[in-house]
This record gives sequence, structure tokens and C-alpha cells, in this order.
Amino acid sequence: EAGVTQFPSHSVIEKGQTVTLRCDPISGHDNLYWYRRVMGKEIKFLLHFVKESKQDESGMPNNRFLAERTGGTYSTLKVQPAELEDSGVYFCASSQWGGSGNEQFFGPGTRLTVL
Amino acid sequence: AQKVTQAQTEISVVEKEDVTLDCVYETRDTTYYLFWYKQPPSGELVFLIRRNSFDEQNEISGRYSWNFQKSTSSFNFTITASQVVDSAVYFCALSEGRNFGNEKLTFGTGTRLTIIP
Repeated sequence: EAGVTQFPSHSVIEKGQTVTLRCDPISGHDNLYWYRRVMGKEIKFLLHFVKESKQDESGMPNNRFLAERTGGTYSTLKVQPAELEDSGVYFCASSQWGGSGNEQFFGPGTRLTVL
Repeated sequence: AQKVTQAQTEISVVEKEDVTLDCVYETRDTTYYLFWYKQPPSGELVFLIRRNSFDEQNEISGRYSWNFQKSTSSFNFTITASQVVDSAVYFCALSEGRNFGNEKLTFGTGTRLTIIP
């Protein structure tokens, strides 16, 4: 069974440009989460999808970030326009719906560098 | 608000030594879940263990063991007879149990463990 995949693995862009990150969750996982780790700090929650619906987007930094999950399958996270402080590693995780304390399976992350 | 503290930023030990990674958490919830994840050099986060707040039994899995103590709000992780392959960043995390279906994780800042051959 394929795990969570993320594309690209690395992205280097200039301030003001746009970048789109993609996450493919494990097949059948309704929950999809985005997290971000900035400059060696803790990994912070960004938002949570249940299927195609945004369940919680309280962690989104500002309106330059837009997340979508069309058809409840893969998800994209767009940053437009990118700023220097957006640099970091963006992780995606998925888990099954139902129950509590479900294990979240993480992807390898996308390392974003904004110059 | 939830918080997870991993006070040890970096630890280095010689191979075959035992090492304990500390994790202290804060939450107002009576139902919650604690996790440990390992991040090897390849970058992905690998799930190691989950513990719910009602189960204070310690757990052992091979060379790994976990000590959950609600009285001190700690969930420490011990590696016995460490090996070079244990070198990684280890994250402790917490999720609330009351928000059914929305279990965002609150992470600590991680502990970088280096095992010296």
C-alpha cells in the first residue's frame, strides 16, 4: 500500500512568486492534515480536511495560503505571493475517519525556500 | 491551550548506551492522546507509539520503552542499547480527545538524537 506522497520534495522560489504544493493521502483516508515546520521550531498545524470539506483551518497563517481538496482525494496548498517567512518544511498527513486518537501517517514533506 | 515541551534539543550518546528522551505536556482535557514520531534523515515522520490518557501502563517494544506518568504530565521515551540507526529527530505530540474527528497534533520542538559509533 502506498504511503502519503508529496510533490515537490523541494521548491526554491523568489519572494512574490506563487508555489503550489501537492499531497496525495493514503487511499481511503478521509482525514487530511497540513502542517509546517519553520526554522527548527515545532511542527505546527495548518488545517484539516474531512473528505473535500475544511474541518478546521485555524492554523492557516494568513490569506496568502489557500488549500483545496478537490473530490476528497489529493490536496493542494498554494502560497501566493510567497514571503520570506513562509520558508520551511510542509508536511501532509492522513488518517482514517472515525474513532479517536487515530494514527496520522505523514508524507516526506516539501521543503520550501523563499529567497 | 495545549503545549508539548521537549527540553532536550540535542543528545549524543555512544552506541549501545541507553538514552531517554523527555516529553512534558500541558492540556486541560481529561481525554487526550500522546504520540511519538521519529524523523530519520530521509525526512518523513514515522509513527512509533500512541497512548491514551486513560492508559498509564508503560509499554515496551523491543529496545524501545515509554513511561507515561499523568502525575507529572510526562511521556518519556527510552531507547535501550542504542544503535546508529536510531539517529534521528524524535517528536512528541498531543491531540485532544474531545474533538471527535478533528485530532490535530500539537508537537514539541523535537530532540535530535545522534548515536556515535
